[in-house]
Amino acid sequence: KAGVTQTPRYLIKTRGQQVTLSCSPISGHRSVSWYQQTPGQGLQFLFEYFSETQRNKGNFPGRFSGRQFSNSRSEMNVSTLELGDSALYLCASSLDPGSNYGYTFGSGTRLTVV
Amino acid sequence: DQQVKQNSPSLSVQEGRISILNCDYTNSMFDYFLWYKKYPAEGPTFLISISSIKDKNEDGRFTVFLNKSAKHLSLHIVPSQPGDSAVYFCAASGAGSGNTGKLIFGQGTTLQVKP
Repeated sequence: KAGVTQTPRYLIKTRGQQVTLSCSPISGHRSVSWYQQTPGQGLQFLFEYFSETQRNKGNFPGRFSGRQFSNSRSEMNVSTLELGDSALYLCASSLDPGSNYGYTFGSGTRLTVV
Repeated sequence: DQQVKQNSPSLSVQEGRISILNCDYTNSMFDYFLWYKKYPAEGPTFLISISSIKDKNEDGRFTVFLNKSAKHLSLHIVPSQPGDSAVYFCAASGAGSGNTGKLIFGQGTTLQVKP
């Protein structure tokens, strides 16, 4: 059974650019959450999608957005990149959205903004 | 406001001994607590969880204890093995649809198990 797949694994972007990250959940999983990990702030919740609807959102500026497709794959977009957006972005998927312990994480996308 | 805190950034133990990782929380509405293990360049891997209605959950070498009155939980690893060396994150979730999919993580504790 394939795990959660995130692409690309590494990305270097310039300040002011925008970036799109992709997440393919485990087959059958309909809930997808996104997290940002930085040395200073740790792991922080970005948003959660279920059946193409955003159900929950963390405390991030509007430059951070996401979407989910009918096949449960999800993308997140960051516009007008800032140096502080450099981080590891993690995606997690779950079969049962009510069971928070059931979230499986991908390996992440390492974004570097220069 | 750090709702979940892991006050020890690092812990070093000898192989075969017990590792105890601690976590404190402030929000009494959390209903599930989880521990994740993370290696560099990989995503967190789920280890064990505990519901707020329980005080202990055991899975092989891993046991999690929850003290609700003290808002404290701990992860015990017995016996510790060198392969356990990683960063351990404590996480919490709240009840209700507004909290679905949202885990609040502590800052992590780096465990080093020496052979």
